[in-house]
Amino acid sequence: EVQLVQSGAEVKKPGESLKISCKGSGYSFSDYWIAWVRQMPGRGLEWMGIIYPSDSDTKYSPSFQGQVTISADKSITTASLQWSSLKASDTAMYYCARLGLSLNGVWYADNWGQGTLVTVSS
Amino acid sequence: DIQLTQSPSFLSASVGDRVTITCRASQGISTFLAWFQQKPGKAPKLLIYGASNLQSGVPSRFSGSGSGTEVTLTISSLQPDDSATYYCQQLKTYPDITFGPGTKVDI
Repeated sequence: EVQLVQSGAEVKKPGESLKISCKGSGYSFSDYWIAWVRQMPGRGLEWMGIIYPSDSDTKYSPSFQGQVTISADKSITTASLQWSSLKASDTAMYYCARLGLSLNGVWYADNWGQGTLVTVSS
Repeated sequence: DIQLTQSPSFLSASVGDRVTITCRASQGISTFLAWFQQKPGKAPKLLIYGASNLQSGVPSRFSGSGSGTEVTLTISSLQPDDSATYYCQQLKTYPDITFGPGTKVDI
């Protein structure tokens, strides 16, 4: 069974750094892109970027380029999302998702983590 | 950028009703579109991919159709478990992907 298990909720202060994780199991982790998606409180879904764990090829949505860093360590089947200096506006639920379903050259998010709630408040 | 709009933004319907949600794109997206269902406090769940392909395990009352700038999600006979927010997602500009604003369905 494909599973993506995310790290627990975090409460941070503005300016602090943070790294959250997403551990994949039940499939060949290196062979599928992992996406990160933001959902701010009471709002919709926003695509942040994707990473290919095999070679760490990473592609960011323009809105998130330079704001976050996506990484992966295939040896521990874990993808990560990190901030160097958090802002209150980073308060959101963050989901990872496996792009596991391919059709006509694009990959669809077929399995999702449970989400990690990040709260940034002074 | 390809912008997506969804209509309606909210709908209230009864068990057994046929419900249709429309997703419109600012540019043609062919069939590079997915539909997700999200319940409160839960991760999104893939329902439809490639505009009309039913994801494994998803009830057959869900269907998708359309291409180009207008695609639709239909629930043929609404069930209590279908109370959720539904999002369309375009992948024409993969890997720069965008979601629609969502449609909340109330039973």
